[in-house]
Amino acid sequence: ETGVTQSPTHLIKTRGQQVTLRCSSQSGHNTVSWYQQALGQGPQFIFQYYREEENGRGNFPPRFSGLQFPNYSSELNVNALELDDSALYLCASSPGQGPYGYTFGSGTRLTVV
Amino acid sequence: AQSVTQLGSHVSVSEGALVLLRCNYSSSVPPYLFWYVQYPNQGLQLLLKYTSAATLVKGINGFEAEFKKSETSFHLTKPSAHMSDAAEYFCAVSNFGNEKLTFGTGTRLTIIP
Repeated sequence: ETGVTQSPTHLIKTRGQQVTLRCSSQSGHNTVSWYQQALGQGPQFIFQYYREEENGRGNFPPRFSGLQFPNYSSELNVNALELDDSALYLCASSPGQGPYGYTFGSGTRLTVV
Repeated sequence: AQSVTQLGSHVSVSEGALVLLRCNYSSSVPPYLFWYVQYPNQGLQLLLKYTSAATLVKGINGFEAEFKKSETSFHLTKPSAHMSDAAEYFCAVSNFGNEKLTFGTGTRLTIIP
């Protein structure tokens, strides 16, 4: 079975720009979560999508938004990029709501200059 | 509210020695607990999880962890360290009905030859 794939792997953007990150969930997984991992920190929960609906959000401003598609793939959009948005963005999927443990992708390294 | 504290941001052990990584949690409801490992420039890989069944949990790569409710702890151990164990380790907590993961700040494990 394929795991979680994210694209692109690396990205450099200018402050004020917008960015879209993409994630393909593991086969059979209908729940996708996004996490932000700043350098030297643990991942921070951004939001979760379950069957195309947002199902929980962390302490991130509205300029962080997302989508989940019928095939359960997902996008993370960030508007008006700030320097502090520079981080590793991790996508994780699971087969449903419950303590399954998430399968993580390798992440997208975003650098804002 | 839930939180995780990982004692020791850096731990060094000799090859063949016992590995002990500490994790204490706070949760107002029965927790689900996880240990993840992260190798450089990669995503997170699930080592093991506790979901209210057996309190001693065995995971991959020879790791295990014991849930101790009275101590609110979920420490990770491995009897004999291997060079390939060098990585960053994260403890995380979630609970039923709120499956977002709250991570600790991580412990970097170094193995001394």
